[in-house]
Amino acid sequence: AQKITQTQPGMFVQEKEAVTLDCTYDTSDPSYGLFWYKQPSSGEMIFLIYQGSYDQQNATEGRYSLNFQKARKSANLVISASQLGDSAMYFCAFRGMNYGGSQGNLIFGKGTKLSVKP
Amino acid sequence: NAGVTQTPKFRVLKTGQSMTLLCAQDMNHEYMYWYRQDPGMGLRLIHYSVGEGTTAKGEVPDGYNVSRLKKQNFLLGLESAAPSQTSVYFCASSAGTGRVTQYFGPGTRLLVL
Repeated sequence: AQKITQTQPGMFVQEKEAVTLDCTYDTSDPSYGLFWYKQPSSGEMIFLIYQGSYDQQNATEGRYSLNFQKARKSANLVISASQLGDSAMYFCAFRGMNYGGSQGNLIFGKGTKLSVKP
Repeated sequence: NAGVTQTPKFRVLKTGQSMTLLCAQDMNHEYMYWYRQDPGMGLRLIHYSVGEGTTAKGEVPDGYNVSRLKKQNFLLGLESAAPSQTSVYFCASSAGTGRVTQYFGPGTRLLVL
């Protein structure tokens, strides 16, 4: 069974600095995808970025980028130029691409709470 | 465009009471999901549906039932609530799987006394 791990329960970063949030996964699937979501204190889940296992380049979306290291099975989220509004919980999620049964469902990590200091 | 909506936003139940959580989406998505979020646990899948009239069990289905009679609605039922079901419940929908993300509702906070 797939497993996804976020080892940092909480992190602090100074405003305007970059921060990396760790995510590792364990799978034997050759094809899969990694998602990152942000959950601010208001509670909603906001999709940030996606990385496919066969994508040729690391994903980027504005200030968000993925440091994807397939051999190490890690998909770390990098937030550049942190802003106060980045303070939130961040969740990494795994999806296997074997579409049979429940393999298309998302498996979430336990999350990392990021606090941005002014 | 409302996206995914959930009703109610907050509810207090006594042990043994029943209730139904309603999820509605206006994006014509085939797939719908119910998750629960507990402190330090991330989101765990309760049940999901891959289309109107279909449902399937997720990771933590015990104590819950679901129905998808209409494509736009996905109902989550608690027949006999227990304190262990105190949680925040999220509904999500998606157009498919693969690279497609899920869109989440605002959540329902449930307290079972």
